[in-house]
Amino acid sequence: GAVVSQHPSRVICKSGTSVKIECRSLDFQATTMFWYRQFPKKSLMLMATSNEGSKATYEQGVEKDKFLINHASLTLSTLTVTSAHPEDSSFYICSARGTGYYGYTFGSGTRLTVV
Amino acid sequence: AQSVTQLGSHVSVSEGALVLLRCNYSSSVPPYLFWYVQYPNQGLQLLLKYTTGATLVKGINGFEAEFKKSETSFHLTKPSAHMSDAAEYFCAVSDGSGNTGKLIFGQGTTLQVKP
Repeated sequence: GAVVSQHPSRVICKSGTSVKIECRSLDFQATTMFWYRQFPKKSLMLMATSNEGSKATYEQGVEKDKFLINHASLTLSTLTVTSAHPEDSSFYICSARGTGYYGYTFGSGTRLTVV
Repeated sequence: AQSVTQLGSHVSVSEGALVLLRCNYSSSVPPYLFWYVQYPNQGLQLLLKYTTGATLVKGINGFEAEFKKSETSFHLTKPSAHMSDAAEYFCAVSDGSGNTGKLIFGQGTTLQVKP
């Protein structure tokens, strides 16, 4: 079945630094990638949608200059949290859709802690 | 715009008892509906989905859900709960084959299974 590999699973960074999270589709071409943020004991909040080769579309209230999304290939999308602050600490999950089937495949998530 | 409401943020059942998790949706177009399960610090696993066709959908681990258009509902059931079913459950809706295909999640329901 479709598999999305998300790395790292956990990261701790200092306030003011940037962190990159990668999602790779291992056995299908991810034409669309979704990035979610999940707060403790809360639902998943859609941050942005990206299509391969195009600029990401951000949801209202999400700072596009802070959360940089790149989807340069059909197998890789990245989320970079720039100048991270403690309030950016959260669980980030990617989800991919591909051609030829209708479904969403989720990565295993990244726990970001900014200290 | 689409939305999902999960009635009951916390459901507690005894092992062997019926599990019923409620989900109502709002959509201006024919919806695609999903149920996901999430274990702590992990990504989401698809339990089942409804796209078109048969309104009673069977999923993994003995779960099933019925799409009721007249009630705008997609409740999740399992005849007999296992301890391993304790987790967070999310209902989600997308706009099907058209538009953005964004997946919008409900607030989540924590299922507790008592021995």
